Amino acid sequence: GESVGLHLPTLSVQEGDNSIINCAYSNSASDYFIWYKQESGKGPQFIIDIRSNMDKRQGQRVTVLLNKTVKHLSLQIAATQPGDSAVYFCAESPNSGYSTLTFGKGTMLLVSP
Amino acid sequence: DTEVTQTPKHLVMGMTNKKSLKCEQHMGHRAMYWYKQKAKKPPELMFVYSYEKLSINESVPSRFSPECPNSSLLNLHLHALQPEDSALYLCASSQEIGTTENTEAFFGQGTRLTVV
Repeated sequence: GESVGLHLPTLSVQEGDNSIINCAYSNSASDYFIWYKQESGKGPQFIIDIRSNMDKRQGQRVTVLLNKTVKHLSLQIAATQPGDSAVYFCAESPNSGYSTLTFGKGTMLLVSP
Repeated sequence: DTEVTQTPKHLVMGMTNKKSLKCEQHMGHRAMYWYKQKAKKPPELMFVYSYEKLSINESVPSRFSPECPNSSLLNLHLHALQPEDSALYLCASSQEIGTTENTEAFFGQGTRLTVV
């Protein structure tokens, strides 16, 4: 289940389940959105991106959905594996040519074998 | 090579010390970034360099001084830091292709800085 603790919201799932991580963004001028995975002691790792002229994009085992009407972004991970355990950040950027990313608060995904 | 390399991995410094963080990429990216990340918080943008020129400074205190000696290197010079500056400092790079389209930013592993 999903819980909001004192720090990061946490999503706990069983191996093989599908996971959905949600993110609300704030800037209606944002044009570019990315999901990053950050494992303990490491830098953020790119998972998938989507531009504002799209509402869905699929990668390998991951799907990003964008709803600009309600400024909502979600990351779906199919057949979640223990190696998917990490903190997941959504990030938004205005259409500027730079990746001046504003990150969301992050969600910790815990996958049990 | 899709790697951004940061050194050192860990750094402990006193409040009167001067130190530098280094970042290197060989992807031909012309935009480079410094982000600061406190524990259990998201990264926050500090500086953006484009074609070796400082383009964005997010109101960062002057005790942090960035430098871009060439298109592959980015430094962050530190002087008279405070304990609250302890954090993970992340370097990133992206293509800056001269259009308004954003591209993926690649992050380094970060330097874990502790100010004592």
